[in-house]
Order: sequence, then C-alpha cells, then structure tokens
Amino acid sequence: GAGVSQSPRYKVAKRGQDVALRCDPISGHVSLFWYQQALGQGPEFLTYFQNEAQLDKSGLPSDRFFAERPEGSVSTLKIQRTQQEDSAVYLCASSLAEAIRETQYFGPGTRLLVL
Amino acid sequence: QQQVKQSPQSLIVQKGGISIINCAYENTAFDYFPWYQQFPGKGPALLIAIRPDVSEKKEGRFTISFNKSAKQFSLHIMDSQPGDSATYFCAASKGGYNKLIFGAGTRLAVHP
Repeated sequence: GAGVSQSPRYKVAKRGQDVALRCDPISGHVSLFWYQQALGQGPEFLTYFQNEAQLDKSGLPSDRFFAERPEGSVSTLKIQRTQQEDSAVYLCASSLAEAIRETQYFGPGTRLLVL
Repeated sequence: QQQVKQSPQSLIVQKGGISIINCAYENTAFDYFPWYQQFPGKGPALLIAIRPDVSEKKEGRFTISFNKSAKQFSLHIMDSQPGDSATYFCAASKGGYNKLIFGAGTRLAVHP
C-alpha cells in the first residue's frame, strides 16, 4: 500500500519568506509526528498529533513554526519568516495508534534550503 | 543535552564482516529502543526494536543487545553486505505516544 508522502520534496526559500510543507500519512493512522533533521544529524522531534488534536508541540523551535491537522489526516507544517537556520530536512511520520511501540512510518522528507 | 549518544560516527566494514554500533542513554524512564535505517534521500525505516525486559533480540542478520544496568544497547549486523551501506540511528522513547529521541547516527559503508 501507499506509504507516507510529503510535498514538496525540495523547497528553496529566500530568507523572510513563508513556507508550507505537506504530509499525507498512511490512511487510517491516528498518530502523526513531525521531525527536523539537520545535515548529518538524527531527527529531532517537533510536534505530535493524535487525530486532529495537537497534543505536543514542545519541539517547535520558535513561534514562527506552526503545524495543523484539521481533519485528522493531512498535516501541514508552516514556517513563517524563514531563517537560514531553518534549513533542514523535515520528516513526517505516522503510526496506526498512539500506543508506545507502535511503528512509526516515515515519509521521504522535504528538504528546505533558506538562502 | 544529548539524551541518546551514538558511536561511532562512521564505520567501514568488509563484506561478510560484523558491523557493531553502540548507543548509550541517560533517562532510565526510556522503555522502548528502536533502530532505524536510512538511505540517502529516504526517510528512516524501522529495522528492529527491543524492550528493556529483554537482553537480546535477533531478526535475521540483525541483533540488538541490551544492557539495562549500563544503560547501553547495540546493533550487530552479521555477514554485512554492500546493500547494508546506509546511516543507522538508535532511538529511545518512554510512555505515552512514542515520541522518539534519536542518536546522531552512524554512517556505515560495507566494502565488497
């Protein structure tokens, strides 16, 4: 079946621009995560949704970052007034349920470059 | 504050050899320890995972060894193949909804 898809795959933004990154999770998956992966580093947690509820946004680096999942399926990560330090790969992952040890399935990521 | 420390940063192994990657954690509340494999341009994919009540788990050529008292766990790849060349991440999570804390990654190259 279809896995997690993300779009766009690559995004170049000028400093100060707003960007929106989309995640389509596996159909029926309750849990959705966003991670940020800097070059040569492991993914770092940004935020978590259970259906449409954003239960944890402790990893969002600043108030310029905003995520939503209004209907409990597709999610959008928005970054306002992008800065060079926002350059990274943004990964989305989904899992069937919210329980611990549920496998998280990752999308291919969106590579964001802020010039 | 690095909650999960991974070593080595990079590893070169000959085909057929054993690849060993180590991780150490600080938070004793962690109770789930997965390993992820990532190829260039792809997202991480779950390889194998272990709970702290088990000291070893084997799936095919991949084995996790877990030492709860030392707060360490490791991934062993037996009979390493060139197709195993990838970046490997250890991770940990505790309770709730499985928020993963990743190590910094190990870039493995298996030479033919």
